Amino acid sequence: DAGVIQSPRHEVTEMGQEVTLRCKPISGHNSLFWYRQTMMRGLELLIYFNNNVPIDDSGMPEDRFSAKMPNASFSTLKIQPSEPRDSAVYFCASGAWGTEDNEKLFFGSGTQLSVL
Amino acid sequence: GIQVEQSPPDLILQEGANSTLRCNFSDSVNNLQWFHQNPWGQLINLFYIPSGTKQNGRLSATTVATERYSLLYISSSQTTDSGVYFCAVVRGTGFQKLVFGTGTRLLVSP
Repeated sequence: DAGVIQSPRHEVTEMGQEVTLRCKPISGHNSLFWYRQTMMRGLELLIYFNNNVPIDDSGMPEDRFSAKMPNASFSTLKIQPSEPRDSAVYFCASGAWGTEDNEKLFFGSGTQLSVL
Repeated sequence: GIQVEQSPPDLILQEGANSTLRCNFSDSVNNLQWFHQNPWGQLINLFYIPSGTKQNGRLSATTVATERYSLLYISSSQTTDSGVYFCAVVRGTGFQKLVFGTGTRLLVSP
């Protein structure tokens, strides 16, 4: 398997623009997670899905952030409008949650977002 | 929420040395994982170890769930071991969030 695939790898945008980050989880995994990493706050969980259903979005910082998982092989994280403080590395991860002895989480390579 | 503390925050080693990284957590957990973030930012899953001991090459991990800590052992360190090591835990069962510690930054010099 190719692992968790994220795109784009780097995104530079101007304040106020819409940003869409994409993720393809590992085939067969039933759970998908979006994390954000910054120097100040470390790795923060934004939202996670199980069987394409959002389970916990309490980490989503504000209404400007939204996430969708229309099917088992694709998810998006959208920021609209973007602000400079959204600059961070955004990671997508997937796992076979609830599977006996196999609840390891696998991360994509991340999207480095810079909002100017 | 659950607190995850890692120590030491920073560690510098000479190639070939051994080290022990510690993860303390504030509540009972049913899922604990160790990750390595390499200098290019990639997060690699090292162990899924909610209890007991596992070994993978030069790395091994032990979790004592009743005492709320986990240890990651690195033996005969190599420069490629450099990076940040994270411990992450899930409190409870079912579909719970994986909470990360602040990490231990390791630098292995030749």
